[in-house]
Amino acid sequence: SQQGEEDPQALSIQEGENATMNCSYKTSINNLQWYRQNSGRGLVHLILIRSNEREKHSGRLRVTLDTSKKSSSLLITASRAADTASYFCATVLNRDDKIIFGKGTRLHILP
Amino acid sequence: NAGVTQTPKFQVLKTGQSMTLQCAQDMNHEYMSWYRQDPGMGLRLIHYSVGAGITDQGEVPNGYNVSRSTTEDFPLRLLSAAPSQTSVYFCASSYSLGRGMNTEAFFGQGTRLTVV
Repeated sequence: SQQGEEDPQALSIQEGENATMNCSYKTSINNLQWYRQNSGRGLVHLILIRSNEREKHSGRLRVTLDTSKKSSSLLITASRAADTASYFCATVLNRDDKIIFGKGTRLHILP
Repeated sequence: NAGVTQTPKFQVLKTGQSMTLQCAQDMNHEYMSWYRQDPGMGLRLIHYSVGAGITDQGEVPNGYNVSRSTTEDFPLRLLSAAPSQTSVYFCASSYSLGRGMNTEAFFGQGTRLTVV
């Protein structure tokens, strides 16, 4: 079964609002990564957070990681129409080589 | 730098036909992988490789073969295509600092495969 599970499956918000997506996982990780996928395109890496980090920022993106709850969140502030996409979390397990993806959250920014 | 290049972009196969999806990267990444993406299922790992001559199975390996003779190339073979293999296939590569320390993955643009 897939390691990461995003929540919600779909999210629609007004332009300018903040968007929050969550990811829960099952087993201990080395790092957790977030990706964006525009319709019909390949995935693009957004941010990587290691298991010993609690928060990372990149521009309008803020990622948190709570290893005790096995969960992560991605916050996009001041959303724009161009943020409309699917967002995926991916985990790299300790002592493993694989990158395992969740099912994703579809984000739609309304004008 | 071309990054990760997948060919072809589109392919239609008849049930029972075989074909190879090509993937090449020019970033000298050790780790390469193949995923399939189906509606509502996210990306599921088919096979992966941590270096030339080393491959391993992912979450959904049945019906697919891979080999890794060079660092750059990681082809995916469908030996006898089935309608259940209709999907979008993505190849990805990444730099690995060691076991369990994969970094960001770079993706190709995908191959849309239809099996009729």
